[in-house]
Amino acid sequence: GAVVSQHPSWVICKSGTSVKIECRSLDFQATTMFWYRQFPKQSLMLMATSNEGSKATYEQGVEKDKFLINHASLTLSTLTVTSAHPEDSSFYICSAKGFMSAYTEAFFGQGTRLTVV
Amino acid sequence: KQEVTQIPAALSVPEGENLVLNCSFTDSAIYNLQWFRQDPGKGLTSLLLIQSSQREQTSGRLNASLDKSSGRSTLYIAASQPGDSATYLCAVRPTFSSGSARQLTFGSGTQLTVLP
Repeated sequence: GAVVSQHPSWVICKSGTSVKIECRSLDFQATTMFWYRQFPKQSLMLMATSNEGSKATYEQGVEKDKFLINHASLTLSTLTVTSAHPEDSSFYICSAKGFMSAYTEAFFGQGTRLTVV
Repeated sequence: KQEVTQIPAALSVPEGENLVLNCSFTDSAIYNLQWFRQDPGKGLTSLLLIQSSQREQTSGRLNASLDKSSGRSTLYIAASQPGDSATYLCAVRPTFSSGSARQLTFGSGTQLTVLP
């Protein structure tokens, strides 16, 4: 299957700082990328959907000014957690779909463990 | 709004046993259903994808079935091994008409432990 790479795999940051997480599709062009958040022992909750070259669509309850998403190219999307607080500590996972896979499967990154201290 | 439920939340079995994981969804207007495996602190690995027109898919010791009309899917694991220990997630993708972004809705997962 296609490969999606997420970086970093884990990060620890101080409260009040910003953290950027990258999601790259390595062997296909990702027209759509999804960002999920997962709390311990819970399922994945969709945060936002981004299409290359346009603004992201955020799910209800997700602060777009706090979770900045940029999908500037067909192989890269970034999620920036601004002014991070301990409650933002979570596991963040991205997934990517190519144009031809619009109705099939999305490929997932390995996730990023964010800890805000 | 689509809701996906997985039962049981956790399951512990001895090695070699056959087992079934259950997934149910409330809106039958799905395009496909996908089973994933997630190891602790890791991302998702796709196991099987079943299109809405299909009844089942098989890969090795795994067999997934889909009954769209009743809103149910099962993942059957034959001859379980300790290496199968992980959390198994099912997710459904809506049809074009019912979900403009066609994003997956996930269940909360079943945490499987296979004891040696």
